[in-house]
Amino acid sequence: KAGVTQTPRYLIKTRGQQVTLSCSPISGHRSVSWYQQTPGQGLQFLFEYFSETQRNKGNFPGRFSGRQFSNSRSEMNVSTLELGDSALYLCASSPTRVGSPLHFGNGTRLTVT
Amino acid sequence: GESVGLHLPTLSVQEGDNSIINCAYSNSASDYFIWYKQESGKGPQFIIDIRSNMDKRQGQRVTVLLNKTVKHLSLQIAATQPGDSAVYFCAEKYSGGGADGLTFGKGTHLIIQP
Repeated sequence: KAGVTQTPRYLIKTRGQQVTLSCSPISGHRSVSWYQQTPGQGLQFLFEYFSETQRNKGNFPGRFSGRQFSNSRSEMNVSTLELGDSALYLCASSPTRVGSPLHFGNGTRLTVT
Repeated sequence: GESVGLHLPTLSVQEGDNSIINCAYSNSASDYFIWYKQESGKGPQFIIDIRSNMDKRQGQRVTVLLNKTVKHLSLQIAATQPGDSAVYFCAEKYSGGGADGLTFGKGTHLIIQP
């Protein structure tokens, strides 16, 4: 079974631009979560989607948003990019919302200059 | 907010020895715990999980121990191999209420000495 696929692997953007990241979950997994990983803050929860609805959101500004499609694929958008948004953005999927481990993709490395 | 932490940022062990990676968590309501391994350039890889109604769970070469009294979690890796070299994260989750995302610790970098 194919794992979680994230595209693109690398992105370079300038301040003020916006960016969209894509995630294809493991087949059959309906829950998709997004995490931001930085050396200083570690892994931090962004949001979770299940059945095309955002179920939970972490402590990030409204510039960070996402959506989930009927096939469970998900996109994450960051608007008005700031230098501090440079990070590895990880997508994870699981078959259910609770009680099952998240399976992560290899992430999208975003660099904001 | 509360967070999960690890005791050591780096742990160096001899190849073939057993490794023990520790983690302290602070949210007594957490009821689900997971260990992840992250290699350079890759996303976290699931190793093993444990629910709060258990105190020990074994996998292939790995054992997770949960001590709810002192809010401590550990990962034991038997006969450590070079391929075990990675950063290890513990994560916790409270399944009830708003069911927020996983809270991760800072990670322990496991270094294998030949």
